[in-house]
Amino acid sequence: DVKVTQSSRYLVKRTGEKVFLECVQDMDHENMFWYRQDPGLGLRLIYFSYDVKMKEKGDIPEGYSVSREKKERFSLILESASTNQTSMYLCASSLSRGHQPQHFGDGTRLSIL
Amino acid sequence: DAKTTQPPSMDCAEGRAANLPCNHSTISGNEYVYWYRQIHSQGPQYIIHGLKNNETNEMASLIITEDRKSSTLILPHATLRDTAVYYCIVRPNLYNFNKFYFGSGTKLNVKP
Repeated sequence: DVKVTQSSRYLVKRTGEKVFLECVQDMDHENMFWYRQDPGLGLRLIYFSYDVKMKEKGDIPEGYSVSREKKERFSLILESASTNQTSMYLCASSLSRGHQPQHFGDGTRLSIL
Repeated sequence: DAKTTQPPSMDCAEGRAANLPCNHSTISGNEYVYWYRQIHSQGPQYIIHGLKNNETNEMASLIITEDRKSSTLILPHATLRDTAVYYCIVRPNLYNFNKFYFGSGTKLNVKP
């Protein structure tokens, strides 16, 4: 089975802090994704990466950056956390070839105070 | 982009089949239908996907109508652990990751 592991289930940070969310997948997937999920808004794509050191903006990249130094690891960075970034953050990965599903981690519920 | 329409909620008795409908009347020829579910406080879980033929795996069956304008996810013997929000997604383009939309889904309540 595909395993996508997010480093924390719950995280509380303060406004202005730099926040790192980590995601690791164990299936040698080329593609990795970061989403946020908010009530009434569904899942929204923040950033994705289709290869090491490659990244593409999703629908809502403002206030975020990402890093992919190794194939299995994809980090989401909140450069200066704000209260409107309080959300559930979900990481996913998928193979590149063919029509392959995305597999998700269990999420990190981030609260910015 | 093809949008999907699902009922907001459904009930199902434990042990019975759960049939979850999805309308995607604007689907185009190369778009796949995906189903995911999300159990409370967990990440979305992939269930099944298909293009035009019916598909079955260990979790569920996917029935796509001949005109591909609608589909049905079937959980053959629902259990209490199948209570979740079920999302039907039409994937418009293999490489257009921005368009992998999760809508509101159907809240399935499996009752004893």
